[in-house]
Amino acid sequence: DSGVTQTPKHLITATGQRVTLRCSPRSGDLSVYWYQQSLDQGLQFLIQYYNGEERAKGNILERFSAQQFPDLHSELNLSSLELGDSALYFCASSVVGFGHNEQFFGPGTRLTVL
Amino acid sequence: AQKITQTQPGMFVQEKEAVTLDCTYDTSDPSYGLFWYKQPSSGEMIFLIYQGSYDQQNATEGRYSLNFQKARKSANLVISASQLGDSAMYFCAMREGDTDKLIFGTGTRLQVFP
Repeated sequence: DSGVTQTPKHLITATGQRVTLRCSPRSGDLSVYWYQQSLDQGLQFLIQYYNGEERAKGNILERFSAQQFPDLHSELNLSSLELGDSALYFCASSVVGFGHNEQFFGPGTRLTVL
Repeated sequence: AQKITQTQPGMFVQEKEAVTLDCTYDTSDPSYGLFWYKQPSSGEMIFLIYQGSYDQQNATEGRYSLNFQKARKSANLVISASQLGDSAMYFCAMREGDTDKLIFGTGTRLQVFP
């Protein structure tokens, strides 16, 4: 158990819908990362937050947004869902937002868009 | 351009034998970090080992060691004394400069047989 929690574990929804994925980082970790794992694209970095502020952005679609709250939990919002958004979404956390520090991954949320 | 290359889609190894999983990377930044993660069939991502670009010695963590050859830009993972529980996908990842986002390879599926 990495100490990173993600809810829900599974999510099935229809095209055009909006969903919210939730992540709680390990105790003491200030940085949260979101990754998407799909068969087509592999594992891709989406976005990073550090202590409530956006720090880095990757290949995140405009239909997707995220935030980190004062208690450091984070939410990833996916809207106008398409079939291609079906993937495993990981949240990871680390102590700081820079330098050498391993990222600890949560169990992931498996999103299926029908 | 592909930053992390894992050329072995699948590998087989007999229990108790050693196995090497290949990883090559591409970067012009003198400061970078290399990571290996394990993803069992249950889906979670487990951090295994880290090597910094300025580290003089190859990293080791228990049965895992990293064969870091800077001039060749390779960071191969060596698993000694393989166990059945080592069967999983293994991902090599890189962090460049002072960013924290990880760039992942396509992974190698390792199967350990009795």
